[in-house]
Amino acid sequence: AQSVTQLGSHVSVSEGALVLLRCNYSSSVPPYLFWYVQYPNQGLQLLLKYTSAATLVKGINGFEAEFKKSETSFHLTKPSAHMSDAAEYFCAVSDRKGAQKLVFGQGTRLTINP
Amino acid sequence: DAEITQSPRHKITETGRQVTLACHQTWNHNNMFWYRQDLGHGLRLIHYSYGVQDTNKGEVSDGYSVSRSNTEDLPLTLESAASSQTSVYFCASSVGSQETQYFGPGTRLLVL
Repeated sequence: AQSVTQLGSHVSVSEGALVLLRCNYSSSVPPYLFWYVQYPNQGLQLLLKYTSAATLVKGINGFEAEFKKSETSFHLTKPSAHMSDAAEYFCAVSDRKGAQKLVFGQGTRLTINP
Repeated sequence: DAEITQSPRHKITETGRQVTLACHQTWNHNNMFWYRQDLGHGLRLIHYSYGVQDTNKGEVSDGYSVSRSNTEDLPLTLESAASSQTSVYFCASSVGSQETQYFGPGTRLLVL
């Protein structure tokens, strides 16, 4: 069965600092991987996804993530945090068998300090 | 603009009552999904559908049902609401296999 682990339920960084949100997955087949962002009282919005092309994936709002098969990781980064990045971030995995059922991690709440 | 909507946005009900949460999308997407979001669990899949008359159970389907009579709608029914079903419910849709899922704004349900 697939699973996702997000290390750290809460991450706090200063404005302008590097953002690193960690995601490790478990999958018996090559996965598709996703990062979603949720702003307060809103639904989830796709940041980026990995579907087997380049291992470094660029998303919206300056975020990117790197798929590392050897480490079963898909960490999300942004070089310089902005106050508007404060939100909850979810990593998700689905298998390639066409079912497209997403399995989500527990979420990481990102706080930006001025 | 095409969109996905959920109603109601907030609902308070009593234990044992039947509750239906609506989900409507105007993208003409084949796939529709229902998730619940609980602190410490992220989002968990309740039910999903790949098209009209197709429904499938997800990870946490006990106590819930769905029906798909047209492309646009996938209502979620709680047969007999329980306090454990207090949660935030999200509907999502996608056009096809492995395509991006688009999420609705959510319904916050409180079962007393």
